[in-house]
Amino acid sequence: AQSVTQLDSHVSVSEGTPVLLRCNYSSSYSPSLFWYVQHPNKGLQLLLKYTSAATLVKGINGFEAEFKKSETSFHLTKPSAHMSDAAEYFCVLNQAGTALIFGKGTTLSVSS
Amino acid sequence: ETGVTQTPRHLVMGMTNKKSLKCEQHLGHNAMYWYKQSAKKPLELMFVYSLEERVENNSVPSRFSPECPNSSHLFLHLHTLQPEDSALYLCASSQEVAGGYTGELFFGEGSRLTVL
Repeated sequence: AQSVTQLDSHVSVSEGTPVLLRCNYSSSYSPSLFWYVQHPNKGLQLLLKYTSAATLVKGINGFEAEFKKSETSFHLTKPSAHMSDAAEYFCVLNQAGTALIFGKGTTLSVSS
Repeated sequence: ETGVTQTPRHLVMGMTNKKSLKCEQHLGHNAMYWYKQSAKKPLELMFVYSLEERVENNSVPSRFSPECPNSSHLFLHLHTLQPEDSALYLCASSQEVAGGYTGELFFGEGSRLTVL
């Protein structure tokens, strides 16, 4: 069965420190994976996507994610957090083009 | 206007009311979606329209009725809702290709629905 698991429901960091949001997936197919961000009272916005090209994917606002097939992971990272990064982040699996499976989300809090 | 616009942003209705949510996309996309977002639950896909035809209906109760009059507009008609239907309803659009979903969705800011 295809699934996405976001390992942390809430992550707290200090401004200027690294961010790590973890996502594991299960898929019988070669997956396409995405990270979306949702700021308070806003819709979701695509941060980055992996579609079987380079395993290290760079996105907007300094975020990047690395696809690791051996670990079935697609963790999202950023070297230095900014206050404006506080939001909900969703890992999404594209199930062979037939459905999008959303994780439950990780809330990122950034303190000054 | 650009992107995906949803109206109203907030809606409070009684269980016997009839109301509608509206979505408009200005991106020239060929597919539109309704998602339901409830607290602590993954996004739930409700309906998908591709080229104005409904291609997916994920066992949504009949009290939710979608309408897609053209590729730029999508409605969700609401009738005799239940309190558990209170949620954020998100509209999205995408440019789909032969072979299925690309996964690249553009979302509106949502309509926050409260059913009393």
